[in-house]
Amino acid sequence: DIVMTQSPDSLAVSLGERATINCKSSQNVLYTSNNKDYLAWFQQKPGQSPRLLISWASIRESGVPDRFTGSGSGTDFTLTINSLLAEDVAVYYCLQYYSFPHTFGQGTKLEIK
Amino acid sequence: QVRLVQSGADVKEPGASVKLSCKASGYTFANHYIHWMRQAPGQGLEWVGVINPGGDYTNYAKNFQGRVTMTRDTSTNTVYMELSSLTSDDTAIFYCARGGIDLAAPCDYWGQGTLVTVSS
Repeated sequence: DIVMTQSPDSLAVSLGERATINCKSSQNVLYTSNNKDYLAWFQQKPGQSPRLLISWASIRESGVPDRFTGSGSGTDFTLTINSLLAEDVAVYYCLQYYSFPHTFGQGTKLEIK
Repeated sequence: QVRLVQSGADVKEPGASVKLSCKASGYTFANHYIHWMRQAPGQGLEWVGVINPGGDYTNYAKNFQGRVTMTRDTSTNTVYMELSSLTSDDTAIFYCARGGIDLAAPCDYWGQGTLVTVSS
């Protein structure tokens, strides 16, 4: 199984500042035949279902603010949230869908400093 | 709009089985895979398994193999997940989510979740 490891486990950032969350996979999730990374990012606010933010490592879903940016390839990925708003308080998860079983990172809890 | 509506909360005794439902609307049901995830209280997300549009292919995580069964009813646009031999570790919210047209795609729409409590 591919193990997904996020860092940090929790993060406190001031309003208006930048938050950076990292995700490392134990195996490559880049499919070379189509040059796509099978990596997604989700946001889960308290009491809500997860919401897909980013797919294919860097493709923002419709309706997701451009403050959210996904980057990276292969085994190392980053979710960057610029100009942090109070509404961004949530737990963020990365997910690899390159192979079964699909596996999530342990989550990163983002709070306001 | 795309909606996945899950069945209500359930309480089961250890050793029992539970069957959850997930009714889809707002898209062509036959075109998309459906995944299930488990989230224990205060914990992260765990992938349980997936079922294909035709209902003739499933893939389950090792942790659940032998006690999980996913089925789908295309006449009612509903997917079911049955989990047997329940233990306290199965006390969790279970989510269904719409996958892609292809097997390798992330889940873009999620149900509201079903809380299953396992307790004697």
